[in-house]
Amino acid sequence: GENVEQHPSTLSVQEGDSAVIKCTYSDSASNYFPWYKQELGKRPQLIIDIRSNVGEKKDQRIAVTLNKTAKHFSLHITETQPEDSAVYFCAASMIGGGSNYKLTFGKGTLLTVNP
Amino acid sequence: GAGVSQSPSNKVTEKGKDVELRCDPISGHTALYWYRQSLGQGLEFLIYFQGNSAPDKSGLPSDRFSAERTGGSVSTLTIQRTQQEDSAVYLCATLQRGGRGEQFFGPGTRLTVL
Repeated sequence: GENVEQHPSTLSVQEGDSAVIKCTYSDSASNYFPWYKQELGKRPQLIIDIRSNVGEKKDQRIAVTLNKTAKHFSLHITETQPEDSAVYFCAASMIGGGSNYKLTFGKGTLLTVNP
Repeated sequence: GAGVSQSPSNKVTEKGKDVELRCDPISGHTALYWYRQSLGQGLEFLIYFQGNSAPDKSGLPSDRFSAERTGGSVSTLTIQRTQQEDSAVYLCATLQRGGRGEQFFGPGTRLTVL
């Protein structure tokens, strides 16, 4: 089955700096890679996702890059703000056709943005 | 409509007791997943339901765990003879197949086994 590794487990940055979180996956059949943000005591919420037919996607201060050959993808947050502090999870899935759309998650990165 | 809801939000039980956790999906979402999140850990897949198909139970950690989904809507996760290591947050997520692939999560049930 799929295996997703996520690094680092914790990341502390100063407000305004950039943050990068990296994930690798094992199953070359995976074609959907979402990133979820989970604030303390809250439910995970999707912040950005990318499909395997795209190498990069950007949404304001957040961007995700995907390298299918190397089987890794990364989350980039620019101009970080204190409200970006949360746990971020990457995930991989195969969607479409007869797949079950099951997500395999990384273990999460605790991002702390210091004011 | 409302998002995914779960009940109870918190459950404290004694070791050896059975517990039932409930998930109400977003209307029209045919796929439903249960995940377990232990303290400081990622989300561990437990079970998946899709329409009338047989559920994918491959993530259930032991035979003390079971789940059902009645009428393709509400789902209940049952843990029998609870153990302290079952303490975790149990999250439900639903998805509209054929859509972008986004899973929408409920708020979770925090289970504490004393």
